[in-house]
Amino acid sequence: AQKITQTQPGMFVQEKEAVTLDCTYDTSDPSYGLFWYKQPSSGEMIFLIYQGSYDQQNATEGRYSLNFQKARKSANLVISASQLGDSAMYFCAMREGHGNTDKLIFGTGTRLQVFP
Amino acid sequence: DAEITQSPRHKITETGRQVTLACHQTWNHNNMFWYRQDLGHGLRLIHYSYGVQDTNKGEVSDGYSVSRSNTEDLPLTLESAASSQTSVYFCASSSDRGGTEAFFGQGTRLTVV
Repeated sequence: AQKITQTQPGMFVQEKEAVTLDCTYDTSDPSYGLFWYKQPSSGEMIFLIYQGSYDQQNATEGRYSLNFQKARKSANLVISASQLGDSAMYFCAMREGHGNTDKLIFGTGTRLQVFP
Repeated sequence: DAEITQSPRHKITETGRQVTLACHQTWNHNNMFWYRQDLGHGLRLIHYSYGVQDTNKGEVSDGYSVSRSNTEDLPLTLESAASSQTSVYFCASSSDRGGTEAFFGQGTRLTVV
């Protein structure tokens, strides 16, 4: 069964607009973490934001926020005020387990294109 | 600054050859991971290690092996390279303390001809 699902292979957004990238996950472990990474065309993996399963508030990092809906098992990334430099692949990932038994599992990614 | 580095960055090899991709981290992380990235599949876990002498198979481990003789290095070996192993390979490391992100190497583009 797919642990992390990203249903949007590609998304377009106009510069300065907000965009939401969807991510749903599946786990029976009560303790887990959710991550978003950005991969620009240069290829490196850049960590954006983290949400712990016990965190009461949605995580925010600058223009990035994570819309965490635990009951629906969704962890959508919201990018506000999009910039041309936001054009990239975005991966949702989940880390379940504890300390020395955890693994980071990725979704298939969403390619975001920001146009002027 | 601590970092994680992969070498080589690009490699072309022939079918049937043994290939080793290097991964070295100076974060002093116990957890290390190897992924392959293919179009439409995202990053898939090949092998991982939680410490010295510990190795585990991921979801796409067939044809690959790893060894962990020290904290800093987790080399990935393709026993007999196949064209299906043409991919971009990423190494990552993370603390064994929960709630922290994994740090990635720059990736190795491997082409098997």
